[in-house]
Amino acid sequence: TQLLEQSPQFLSIQEGENLTVYCNSSSVFSSLQWYRQEPGEGPVLLVTVVTGGEVKKLKRLTFQFGDARKDSSLHITAAQPGDTGLYLCAGVIVSGGSNYKLTFGKGTLLTVNP
Amino acid sequence: DAMVIQNPRYQVTQFGKPVTLSCSQTLNHNVMYWYQQKSSQAPKLLFHYYDKDFNNEADTPDNFQSRRPNTSFCFLDIRSPGLGDAAMYLCATSRHLVSYNEQFFGPGTRLTVL
Repeated sequence: TQLLEQSPQFLSIQEGENLTVYCNSSSVFSSLQWYRQEPGEGPVLLVTVVTGGEVKKLKRLTFQFGDARKDSSLHITAAQPGDTGLYLCAGVIVSGGSNYKLTFGKGTLLTVNP
Repeated sequence: DAMVIQNPRYQVTQFGKPVTLSCSQTLNHNVMYWYQQKSSQAPKLLFHYYDKDFNNEADTPDNFQSRRPNTSFCFLDIRSPGLGDAAMYLCATSRHLVSYNEQFFGPGTRLTVL
């Protein structure tokens, strides 16, 4: 059973388009992080959200944490080829038996074509 | 810049030949983690150190060991690599073990087993 479902699994778009990727769970998270991973590299932390309903912006990227802290979304405006990569969400489950262990989704592989 | 460094970036070993992967950090974080990531999969936590305290995940094979001689360095030893151990190995750090835990990853070591 996958505790964190990410959708879509694959996304290929043209430069300039907008997109949203989702991270969903039936579990409540005390915090949730988004990472971007490029081929052959480690994940790079983009943002951490901790409060239900929280919205954070990072240039063209907008992150939202669901009110119930069970889901999150990442919206990219005017995507650029440099946004290409694997987007991973990861969070600490409140009732997961650990207050530090990150549960990862499988990621959304985004390709932005010039 | 403070960072997490992994050496080597690419490691080739033979079936059954012991191999050691290295991680160092200049962040002065208390916690160091080792993850295994196979193609198209989420990172899987193998173990972590909080200072000198070692915590092994229940499903980590005995074939995998770790050492942390000081705050800055942590090693992953694979005693008898099998073909199934070919993967990207990621080192990560965090300041503490807390629910709003932000983990910072190194670039990874790609292990090939022949």
